[in-house]
Amino acid sequence: DSGVTQTPKHLITATGQRVTLRCSPRSGDLSVYWYQQSLDQGLQFLIQYYNGEERAKGNILERFSAQQFPDLHSELNLSSLELGDSALYFCASSPLPVFLDNEQFFGPGTRLTVL
Amino acid sequence: GQNIDQPTEMTATEGAIVQINCTYQTSGFNGLFWYQQHAGEAPTFLSYNVLDGLEEKGRFSSFLSRSKGYSYLLLKELQMKDSASYLCAVRGETGGSYIPTFGRGTSLIVHP
Repeated sequence: DSGVTQTPKHLITATGQRVTLRCSPRSGDLSVYWYQQSLDQGLQFLIQYYNGEERAKGNILERFSAQQFPDLHSELNLSSLELGDSALYFCASSPLPVFLDNEQFFGPGTRLTVL
Repeated sequence: GQNIDQPTEMTATEGAIVQINCTYQTSGFNGLFWYQQHAGEAPTFLSYNVLDGLEEKGRFSSFLSRSKGYSYLLLKELQMKDSASYLCAVRGETGGSYIPTFGRGTSLIVHP
């Protein structure tokens, strides 16, 4: 158990819908990362927050957005869902900013299925 | 941009040693990571290299050569539970931010 929690574990929804994925980092960790893992693309970095501020952005679609709240939990919002958005979404945390951290702790993931 | 190459699949025998190679191209190199991922589970951290040389951690070692854009993960005394995907990830500078990029992973099959 990494100490990172993600809810829900599974999510099944329809195309065009909007969903919110939630992540609570390990106690004391200020950095939160979001990743998408699909069979054809592998693990892709989406976005990173440090202490409430966006610090790095990867291949995140405009239909996706995220935020980190004052209590350091983070939410990833996915809208206008398409079949291709079906994937495992991981959250990871670390105590340091992105350019300093030497280890990330991954949550168990949310499996999103878009029908 | 960043590019990472690692073999798709490797097989090895229980008790043996296996080396998984990773080559990369990146700008503003800021660290290389190895993760282990069992099917359907989250990646777990194995090692981090930012300077050239070998980092050893129990049965696992990781090597980095920045000038060659090359790393390897060495697994000794293989156990059946080491059957998993091994992900090489590089953190590099893109558009003023440090971005981690993951390889597609090497699926390691350990047989008796």
